[in-house]
Amino acid sequence: EAGVVQSPRYKIIEKKQPVAFWCNPISGHNTLYWYLQNLGQGPELLIRYENEEAVDDSQLPKDRFSAERLKGVDSTLKIQPAELGDSAVYLCASSLGQVHEQFFGPGTRLTVL
Amino acid sequence: QQPVQSPQAVILREGEDAVINCSSSKALYSVHWYRQKHGEAPVFLMILLKGGEQKGHEKISASFNEKKQQSSLYLTASQLSYSGTYFCGTEGGGSRLTFGEGTQLTVNP
Repeated sequence: EAGVVQSPRYKIIEKKQPVAFWCNPISGHNTLYWYLQNLGQGPELLIRYENEEAVDDSQLPKDRFSAERLKGVDSTLKIQPAELGDSAVYLCASSLGQVHEQFFGPGTRLTVL
Repeated sequence: QQPVQSPQAVILREGEDAVINCSSSKALYSVHWYRQKHGEAPVFLMILLKGGEQKGHEKISASFNEKKQQSSLYLTASQLSYSGTYFCGTEGGGSRLTFGEGTQLTVNP
């Protein structure tokens, strides 16, 4: 069974530039999560989808971050414009539901210069 | 609110035991445990639900005290492969999973 796929794995951009991350969850997983993980910290939820609906986006900085999950499968997280403080690992995870184990992708390490 | 994990770090010799604790200030519906190795994604270990149900790997042992809003992860006869950072995530019923800052476990030969 294929795991959660994320791309790119690494991204280096200059501040004020836009950036996008892509996630393909495990087939059949209706719930998809985007997390931000800073060095030495636990993952912090940015947004949770149930199918194509964003059911928890209260922690998503909507002035610069946006996300979509078209057709309830793949998802894209975008930052525009990026700031120095956005440097972190962005993790995507999927699960069969909220109270089920989450399968994490390898993450995208973003460096903003 | 972020759960508090203790200890922050622990160093063991292979074969020794360890306990990692997770405490929350709010009522909990479930507690989740994950392990993350350096540069890798977090990997699921166990979910403990209010009411006593548990889902997880057979070799992992954990407890959930609903009244005290605390959970503990028990690592017995540790192996080198147990090294990594352990995160607990707490969920208050219908709300988000909030992860602690992690406990760094090092197992030496």
